[in-house]
Amino acid sequence: GENVEQHPSTLSVQEGDSAVIKCTYSDSASNYFPWYKQELGKRPQLIIDIRSNVGEKKDQRIAVTLNKTAKHFSLHITETQPEDSAVYFCAASIYNNDMRFGAGTRLTVKP
Amino acid sequence: EPEVTQTPSHQVTQMGQEVILRCVPISNHLYFYWYRQILGQKVEFLVSFYNNEISEKSEIFDDQFSVERPDGSNFTLKIRSTKLEDSAMYFCASSEQKEKLFFGSGTQLSVL
Repeated sequence: GENVEQHPSTLSVQEGDSAVIKCTYSDSASNYFPWYKQELGKRPQLIIDIRSNVGEKKDQRIAVTLNKTAKHFSLHITETQPEDSAVYFCAASIYNNDMRFGAGTRLTVKP
Repeated sequence: EPEVTQTPSHQVTQMGQEVILRCVPISNHLYFYWYRQILGQKVEFLVSFYNNEISEKSEIFDDQFSVERPDGSNFTLKIRSTKLEDSAMYFCASSEQKEKLFFGSGTQLSVL
């Protein structure tokens, strides 16, 4: 089955700096790669996703890039704000079948 | 905005007891899922459900687990004989087109 590795496990940045979280996946058939944000004690919420036929997607301060050849994808957050502090999970699946999540990255944005 | 709702928010049970976790997916969604998250760990896939049957299940989803859609709105996860290691947050999720999962707020299960 799919195995998703995520790093770093923790990331601390100053407000206004950029943050980058990286994930690798093992199954070349995976074609859907969402990112979820989970605030403390809350449900995971989808923040951005990308399909395998796209190399990059951007939504305001958030962008995701995908390298199918290398089987890795990354989340980029620019101009970080304290409210970006949360745990971020990447995931990979073939159309949500048996979606596998990474171990999570705890992002702390220091004011 | 429509939400996935889960009840109860907290469930405490004795080891060996049966529990039923309940979920109401978003009304026009066709795909339903259960995930669990042990404190501080990753979100783990348990099972997906479509067209009134299980479409995928993980190695975690063994014979003590079962899912059911007893009516047109509810989606339940039953754990038959709970073990200490079943203690976790259980999230229900639904999706319209097998992408963009929407998660419920979770049920925190504590097995004593």
